Amino acid sequence: GAGVSQSPRYKVAKRGQDVALRCDPISGHVSLFWYQQALGQGPEFLTYFQNEAQLDKSGLPSDRFFAERPEGSVSTLKIQRTQQEDSAVYLCASSLAGGRGNTIYFGEGSWLTVV
Amino acid sequence: AQTVTQSQPEMSVQEAETVTLSCTYDTSENNYYLFWYKQPPSRQMILVIRQEAYKQQNATENRFSVNFQKAAKSFSLKISDSQLGDTAMYFCALYTGANSKLTFGKGITLSVRP
Repeated sequence: GAGVSQSPRYKVAKRGQDVALRCDPISGHVSLFWYQQALGQGPEFLTYFQNEAQLDKSGLPSDRFFAERPEGSVSTLKIQRTQQEDSAVYLCASSLAGGRGNTIYFGEGSWLTVV
Repeated sequence: AQTVTQSQPEMSVQEAETVTLSCTYDTSENNYYLFWYKQPPSRQMILVIRQEAYKQQNATENRFSVNFQKAAKSFSLKISDSQLGDTAMYFCALYTGANSKLTFGKGITLSVRP
C-alpha cells in the first residue's frame, strides 16, 4: 500500500479484556517496529521485526504484550488482560531495512483506551 | 544506551518568522542518523528532515534546515517563514544500526500565531 496502515484506529477496551492491533507495513519493507506513546510523551520502543524474525522485544512492558509477524508482512500486537496503564497510542512503523539508516515511516496509530 | 533530550516543552512563534527547536543526544556509535518528526493532533508521525552523522553538510528541506554539531552532539531544527500549518509537536529522534531502533526525545509543542 501507499503507507503504513493500522487498525483499528480507535479501540475502547474494558479492563481485563484482550485486544489485538494490526499493522500493514509499506509493501516490500523488511523492518517493522511497534512503539507505544502515552499522552504528552514521545514514542517508546516496544519491539522490532526483520521479516518474520522478532529481533528485539526488549521494550515490551510485560508478558501481557505479545507481537507477531508470521509471514514477514502484516504484524499484530496483542495485549492480554488490559490494564488502565495500557491506554496509549500504539504506533507501527516500517522501513526498507534496519541497520542502514533507511527512513522509518509511521502509521497513524491505534488509540487504545482502557476503561 | 542512547538518549535524546529536548529540554524545551513548548515554543510559540509569529507567522512568517523563524524559530529554532533544540535537541541534544548521546550515543557511543560513530554511525548514526538523526531525524526530526512532526506530529499533528492526528498523531501521524511525519518525517520533516533527516541527517546522516557522517555528512558534515547540514540537511535542508525547503523551509526546514538543521544545525548539526557532531562534537557537541547537538541537532537543532530551524523553521523559516513559519506557517500556521507548522503548529504541531516536534520530535527529535536518533537511529543507530547497533540496535536498529529509533530513540525519541520527549517532544516540543510548537504553536504558530497568526
